[in-house]
Amino acid sequence: LAKTTQPISMDSYEGQEVNITCSHNNIATNDYITWYQQFPSQGPRFIIQGYKTKVTNEVASLFIPADRKSSTLSLPRVSLSDTAVYYCLVDPQRSQGNLIFGKGTKLSVKP
Amino acid sequence: SAVISQKPSRDICQRGTSLTIQCQVDSQVTMMFWYRQQPGQSLTLIATANQGSEATYESGFVIDKFPISRPNLTFSTLTVSNMSPEDSSIYLCSVLARVARGTDTQYFGPGTRLTVL
Repeated sequence: LAKTTQPISMDSYEGQEVNITCSHNNIATNDYITWYQQFPSQGPRFIIQGYKTKVTNEVASLFIPADRKSSTLSLPRVSLSDTAVYYCLVDPQRSQGNLIFGKGTKLSVKP
Repeated sequence: SAVISQKPSRDICQRGTSLTIQCQVDSQVTMMFWYRQQPGQSLTLIATANQGSEATYESGFVIDKFPISRPNLTFSTLTVSNMSPEDSSIYLCSVLARVARGTDTQYFGPGTRLTVL
């Protein structure tokens, strides 16, 4: 499975847009890019998944360039409650369970 | 998506004892998994819980230490046997479920926080 690289931590202020970039240089043709959010003492929560170009849902947007070697999770107008660890993963469609979680990006939103 | 519950949500256990964690899903799913997340660390896959057959364990995890049952398509248990303080972790159940666009991904339960004294 492709490994991912993302910043260890990021700081932001309430109301700002936050962009977290993830590198996955060895992504395979059938890999999808998935982002999870995890609060302390809770299980990871699925945020968004994409294959190419742009995906948007009620929570976030995911931007994927044509070469798919990176992706950017965009959180519009963050609030204090968005403080969490964000994980970027790549896995094949119909994931067989061997998701490899990296260390994630710890986002701290300040008032 | 899928709604997943785990019991217990947390427990404090004595060294040498065993604890069984339950995972219940609100719909039938083909694949269920068990992960461990040690303090301050990321998630590590323990095993895939197979319905009707033995679980498939990842490197470093063995059936004697982490026996798993999966009697049907909505339920699984993970037992942490002969516990030591090093087993103190959050244990997470996950299932493979359909994303709105027609692809699959894993959805996670709330986790069981285990502390071994």
